[in-house]
Amino acid sequence: QSALTQPRSVSGSPGQSVTISCTGTSSDVGGYNYVSWYQQHPGKAPKLMIYDVSQRPSGVPDRFSGSKSGNTASLTISGLQAEDEADYYCCSFAGRYTFVIFGGGTKLTVL
Amino acid sequence: QVQLQESGPGLVKPSETLSLTCTVSGGSISGNYWSWIRQPPGKGLEWIGYFYYSGSTNYNPSLKSRVSMSVDTSKSQFSLKLTSVTAADTAVYYCAGWTSSWFDPWGQGTLVTVSS
Repeated sequence: QSALTQPRSVSGSPGQSVTISCTGTSSDVGGYNYVSWYQQHPGKAPKLMIYDVSQRPSGVPDRFSGSKSGNTASLTISGLQAEDEADYYCCSFAGRYTFVIFGGGTKLTVL
Repeated sequence: QVQLQESGPGLVKPSETLSLTCTVSGGSISGNYWSWIRQPPGKGLEWIGYFYYSGSTNYNPSLKSRVSMSVDTSKSQFSLKLTSVTAADTAVYYCAGWTSSWFDPWGQGTLVTVSS
């Protein structure tokens, strides 16, 4: 099964909002409310930012929000800060056979 | 707070077996799901598989024939074995906790290079 589709890169200025999309199929993103998002700074391990489409773990700023419509999930970062510059990966449950599938990753640049 | 730490050889020869261990601290390995994920240099994340402390497992279909996972609860460690490795298996390997539908926490990762 192919990876979920994310834009290779997005950018925004400090204080602005950006949205990263994650497109799958009815067998993964569209079929379950089990989408998670991870932030990865260079040389570091990924960090959970959103789970179950829109839930935020404790400690994650409320500037980060998640949503889903049909086969596409989205991560929105409002009030961009320099430290938000990182790679972002989406992940979805994809049924009992494939189980889990990641997106290809999106590089966020804060201008 | 639960912390994970991967360990194992950083260099493996082609056709040999890659073996990694993840040590869990600050929490119990029992009663939880654990997973391995890898990331080739400059590329995205790939789920390898998960196992439950009692022994049940689920592996990525693309790796299933070469992967095995096990646990040593007495040492709070779980392990990954990947057989018949090739250069395509060169990656940073992460261990992580698996909770229903998300991965958290993550280990810091360990780079494994497949080369003769």
